[in-house]
Amino acid sequence: DIQMTQSPSSLSASVGDRVTITCRASQSISSYLNWYQQKPGKAPKLLIYAASSLQSGVPSRFSGSGSGTDFTLTISSLQPEDFATYYCQQSYSTLLKCSFGQGTKLEIK
Amino acid sequence: QVQLQESGPGLVKPSQTLSLTCTVSGGSISSGGYYWSWIRQHPGKGLEWIGYIYYSGSTYYNPSLKSRVTISVDTSKNQFSLKLSSVTAADTAVYYCARAAGGNSGFDYWGQGTLVTVSS
Repeated sequence: DIQMTQSPSSLSASVGDRVTITCRASQSISSYLNWYQQKPGKAPKLLIYAASSLQSGVPSRFSGSGSGTDFTLTISSLQPEDFATYYCQQSYSTLLKCSFGQGTKLEIK
Repeated sequence: QVQLQESGPGLVKPSQTLSLTCTVSGGSISSGGYYWSWIRQHPGKGLEWIGYIYYSGSTYYNPSLKSRVTISVDTSKNQFSLKLSSVTAADTAVYYCARAAGGNSGFDYWGQGTLVTVSS
């Protein structure tokens, strides 16, 4: 199975900061990588698909990059509503199996 | 606008079968092109993919749960369902249904989630 490892597990930042979250796959997954934002008590929300494509309606301050095994999610200028937990997810495995990273909790400094 | 809504018992006894249904509105399961999915989240933990079903009935399950999971679809009701057998306290979680377009597209629509507690 493909393992997804996010770093850091938690992060403190201030409004206006530029933030980067990293996701590493245990083997190459090409660009089969998606990013989600989850707020407490809510379902996850798709932010980025195919490593770098912005989901419709998602603010342009969110961006994704990477391919192969290393990927990043960047928030260019943190807004108060961005404090949440972020998950990466791969969909490369054979037979359409997928797996998620363990999450990165972004907190207010 | 596609909407998904989970329904089912919030409390299940150990060793019994957990059964949940996801009702889809704003789009037809039988139109094809999407994988209808179940994902769970243990309290305070990360996300765990359970499995997918395609409208044709083809299923794909997480190997760690495969022996206990059945996902089925009822296109006449525009619903898909999850059955998880022989549950234990470790199956206590929020269960989400979600839609994926397959391949590289991610889960773009989710239900709000339903908490299922396994307890006697």
